[in-house]
Amino acid sequence: KQEVTQIPAALSVPEGENLVLNCSFTDSAIYNLQWFRQDPGKGLTSLLLIQSSQREQTSGRLNASLDKSSGRSTLYIAASQPGDSATYLCAVIGGATNKLIFGTGTLLAVQP
Amino acid sequence: EPEVTQTPSHQVTQMGQEVILRCVPISNHLYFYWYRQILGQKVEFLVSFYNNEISEKSEIFDDQFSVERPDGSNFTLKIRSTKLEDSAMYFCASSIQLVLSGNTIYFGEGSWLTVV
Repeated sequence: KQEVTQIPAALSVPEGENLVLNCSFTDSAIYNLQWFRQDPGKGLTSLLLIQSSQREQTSGRLNASLDKSSGRSTLYIAASQPGDSATYLCAVIGGATNKLIFGTGTLLAVQP
Repeated sequence: EPEVTQTPSHQVTQMGQEVILRCVPISNHLYFYWYRQILGQKVEFLVSFYNNEISEKSEIFDDQFSVERPDGSNFTLKIRSTKLEDSAMYFCASSIQLVLSGNTIYFGEGSWLTVV
């Protein structure tokens, strides 16, 4: 059974710092991995999607990498801003299913 | 930008009552989903719907739950007899094609259900 874990559970950084969020999954047979952002009381917004054949994806200040064989992904946020404060979730799809399996998330606070 | 809309944003209901949560997926999307998030826990898959039928469901989605696309725009989740443990944020989502093929999934802002 696929399990997705995110470390750290919470992170507080000063504005301008570069940071890395980690995601690990137990079954490497995935189709893709996605990173989402969740603001308090709001829905989930897809940030980046990495197909299983890809190693990384970039969007603006965000860069996500995928190492399928070791069951790991990282989300790198460059030059963090207070507006980046949110919960970041990773989710995987695998096993001939169309359902996302989510991690517990990392709560990020960027201090001005 | 197109978005998934959900109503109500918050509902309080008595245990044992029926609840219907409503969603309007993005208009040209073909796949529809319900997920839920119990406070402090992971987001969990409930059900996916395609071509007017359930394509996949989780163990959580038992006989107390049902989904329907009553017309060309709405997608509903019904809980027949609510329990305290059904209290959660329920997210509707849609995608134009299969998410496993690399298509983006769009989530609504959620309906917060409190069962008392």
